[in-house]
Amino acid sequence: GNSVTQMEGPVTLSEEAFLTINCTYTATGYPSLFWYVQYPGEGLQLLLKATKADDKGSNKGFEATYRKETTSFHLEKGSVQVSDSAVYFCALQTGANNLFFGTGTRLTVIP
Amino acid sequence: DAGVIQSPRHEVTEMGQEVTLRCKPISGHDYLFWYRQTMMRGLELLIYFNNNVPIDDSGMPEDRFSAKMPNASFSTLKIQPSEPRDSAVYFCASSLRGGAEKPQHFGDGTRLSIL
Repeated sequence: GNSVTQMEGPVTLSEEAFLTINCTYTATGYPSLFWYVQYPGEGLQLLLKATKADDKGSNKGFEATYRKETTSFHLEKGSVQVSDSAVYFCALQTGANNLFFGTGTRLTVIP
Repeated sequence: DAGVIQSPRHEVTEMGQEVTLRCKPISGHDYLFWYRQTMMRGLELLIYFNNNVPIDDSGMPEDRFSAKMPNASFSTLKIQPSEPRDSAVYFCASSLRGGAEKPQHFGDGTRLSIL
């Protein structure tokens, strides 16, 4: 079946620290992979995506590389800001339209 | 551009009452999705529509839940009768033509509390 496993949160970092949020997946076929971000009181927003192996998605300083050999899609940012505080969801999508989400990782960045 | 619009933003009601959640997708999008978010189960897909037709409702928890899409610009999710375990945040999302190249856009959700 299809599933996504994310690192447990919460994660608390100081401003300008390096961020890694781990994500691994199990899927039938060749999924597309996504990171969504949810700010307090809002819906999910697409942060970045990768549709095939070795693709790198990037947006707003965040990056993630689709690693088929390790079935991973880890999220990284070199220098986080207070405004990056949010919940981050890793997700996969198969040929159909179903998105399978991880449980989410809450990030808090302190000044 | 207007995003996905959900109403109400918050709903508090007593057990046994009928609850109706509403969603207006982004104009021109032909896929519409309903999700439920809880602490215990995370984000779950309940049902999705393509061109107003329900395609997969396997995530709908039980017969108390029903969803309709009478036209391209409106969908409802109803719970009747409601129970405390239905308390969650319900999200609507829409996308254009489906697939990974056309990602889903989410509304801000309806926070539902059943007392």
